[in-house]
Amino acid sequence: DIQMTQSPSTLSASVGDRVTITCRASQSVTRWLAWYQQKPGKAPKLLISKASTLESGVPSRFSGGGSGTEFTLTISSLQPDDFATYYCQQYDSYPPLTFGGGTKVEIK
Amino acid sequence: EVQLVDSGGGFVQPGGSLRLSCAASGFTFRDYWMTWVRQAPGKGLEWVANIKQDESEKHYVESGKGRFTISRDNAKNAVYLQMNSLRAEDTAVYYCARVAWEGHYFEYWGQGTLVTVSS
Repeated sequence: DIQMTQSPSTLSASVGDRVTITCRASQSVTRWLAWYQQKPGKAPKLLISKASTLESGVPSRFSGGGSGTEFTLTISSLQPDDFATYYCQQYDSYPPLTFGGGTKVEIK
Repeated sequence: EVQLVDSGGGFVQPGGSLRLSCAASGFTFRDYWMTWVRQAPGKGLEWVANIKQDESEKHYVESGKGRFTISRDNAKNAVYLQMNSLRAEDTAVYYCARVAWEGHYFEYWGQGTLVTVSS
């Protein structure tokens, strides 16, 4: 199984900050990686697929990068609506499909 | 508009069974893989099972093998998760989701249904 590790687990930031979340895979997933945003009590929402392809309707302040075993999700200027938990997910090799443990972005 | 509506959750004792349902609309259901993902209280996301368009492939998380069965009815635009021999650690919100054409990531999600396994 491919293990996905996110860091940090919690991130405190202010509106307007640039924030970066890292996701590491235990083996290469090439670029088969997705990012999701989840708010309390709600279903996850797809933000990015194939490591860097922004989904329709997702603000351009979100960007994804990386390949192989190391990936990043960057929010260029944090907005109030962005305070949430973010998950990465690999879809290179399955079963099982695997998620990172999540990164909670909190208000500083 | 794509809609997925999850239902069937509830309270069940250890060893019991439950059948979850997901009603799909707004897209050609028979063209897509479908999946179930769960989230234990206060925890992260865990993929549970997925099913191919014609049911010719089904895959399960290791802890669900032999206990969970995913199925679908393309005439009713629905996907199901039959869960037997439930354990306390199966307590979670269960989401159905549509799998993308381009790869096994999840484009659209249901609102989730809570399963609580407790004595």
